[in-house]
Amino acid sequence: DQQVKQNSPSLSVQEGRISILNCDYTNSMFDYFLWYKKYPAEGPTFLISISSIKDKNEDGRFTVFLNKSAKHLSLHIVPSQPGDSAVYFCAASSGNKAAGNKLTFGGGTRVLVKP
Amino acid sequence: DAGITQSPRHKVTETGTPVTLRCHQTENHRYMYWYRQDPGHGLRLIHYSYGVKDTDKGEVSDGYSVSRSKTEDFLLTLESATSSQTSVYFCAISVRGGEAFFGQGTRLTVV
Repeated sequence: DQQVKQNSPSLSVQEGRISILNCDYTNSMFDYFLWYKKYPAEGPTFLISISSIKDKNEDGRFTVFLNKSAKHLSLHIVPSQPGDSAVYFCAASSGNKAAGNKLTFGGGTRVLVKP
Repeated sequence: DAGITQSPRHKVTETGTPVTLRCHQTENHRYMYWYRQDPGHGLRLIHYSYGVKDTDKGEVSDGYSVSRSKTEDFLLTLESATSSQTSVYFCAISVRGGEAFFGQGTRLTVV
């Protein structure tokens, strides 16, 4: 049973437009959420994160929104650029810091930004 | 750059053979993780370590073992490789409050 789900396996968007990636989770113990970006043949790279005490975090073109009541988060990329074409993973962790920061990942969304 | 190196980067092995993947870090981080990536499943945690000789199981630990005899090295062993263990394996370390920094990955094919 997947605790973190990305229901859209792929997304195609025109350059300059907004990309919106969605993620749902079921475990109410999750209190920290992250987005990773992955290019082929490379490891995932950290993009942006949000703590459960916030509902929005912004970093340049990337904004993450968290709706705790709906157990839903989203990543907005504005404006989208061809270099943003990659697979994006949503991830979550709980407050059990004794185990470090074990991450639970969604299945990923492949984004294609068309010039 | 957190200085994390995985070896080998690619490996093809036969069913039933033992395989060991190595993760090496240069930054003295306490927590290290092994994940596998499969289509539709994202990344799933296999094992993790919270210090030398301190390891624990993750979500998909069956068929895998790990060892950490030094802070900088975290080894993942497939005792007897099966085709279901064909995957891309990523090592990671925790570098800040909640972020993990990943290695480049090892593509393992079991034939």
